[in-house]
Amino acid sequence: NAGVMQNPRHLVRRRGQEARLRCSPMKGHSHVYWYRQLPEEGLKFMVYLQKENIIDESGMPKERFSAEFPKEGPSILRIQQVVRGDSAAYFCASSPPGGGPGELFFGEGSRLTVL
Amino acid sequence: ELKVEQNPLFLSMQEGKNYTIYCNYSTTSDRLYWYRQDPGKSLESLFVLLSNGAVKQEGRLMASLDTKARLSTLHITAAVHDLSATYFCAVDPTHYGGSQGNLIFGKGTKLSVKP
Repeated sequence: NAGVMQNPRHLVRRRGQEARLRCSPMKGHSHVYWYRQLPEEGLKFMVYLQKENIIDESGMPKERFSAEFPKEGPSILRIQQVVRGDSAAYFCASSPPGGGPGELFFGEGSRLTVL
Repeated sequence: ELKVEQNPLFLSMQEGKNYTIYCNYSTTSDRLYWYRQDPGKSLESLFVLLSNGAVKQEGRLMASLDTKARLSTLHITAAVHDLSATYFCAVDPTHYGGSQGNLIFGKGTKLSVKP
């Protein structure tokens, strides 16, 4: 049973370009979460999605950032017109349907570097 | 705003010694998680603590939760080099308006075990 798959693992962009990060949840999981980790910091929640629905985007910056989880295919975190402050590791996590206090399963992260 | 504080943030130990990492949080929650992260890697779930007085042990690590004191501890017994990593605690504020998966992470404790 494959774990949470993220790609690309490393991405370099110049200021003003767009970054697209993809996440495929674990098999059978229908809840996807995106977190951002700055160097030497803990993870910060960004957004929680289910298929075709954004459930909680309270941690997403108001501009330039968007996320989707379509009916088919991976979840995508899109960052438009990247700036140096967007450089971070972006982690995706998934959990099974049904809610409850279960743990999150994290992918290995996508490390974005903005030049 | 829920805050999660870990201490110490850096810990250098000798092999064979015992130590405790502390995780304090600022409001009531009965769901607390401990994760391990190796450099450049994802987060590995260690413990899920769901009730006051919960105690879980795995190998040389033992975690406990005191919801009245808003405190969790991660105790390391007879440390070995393989335990060197960063350890995060995370609190789920779900029943205070957050959504499942909106975990609040501490800044992490970077543990280095030396021979």
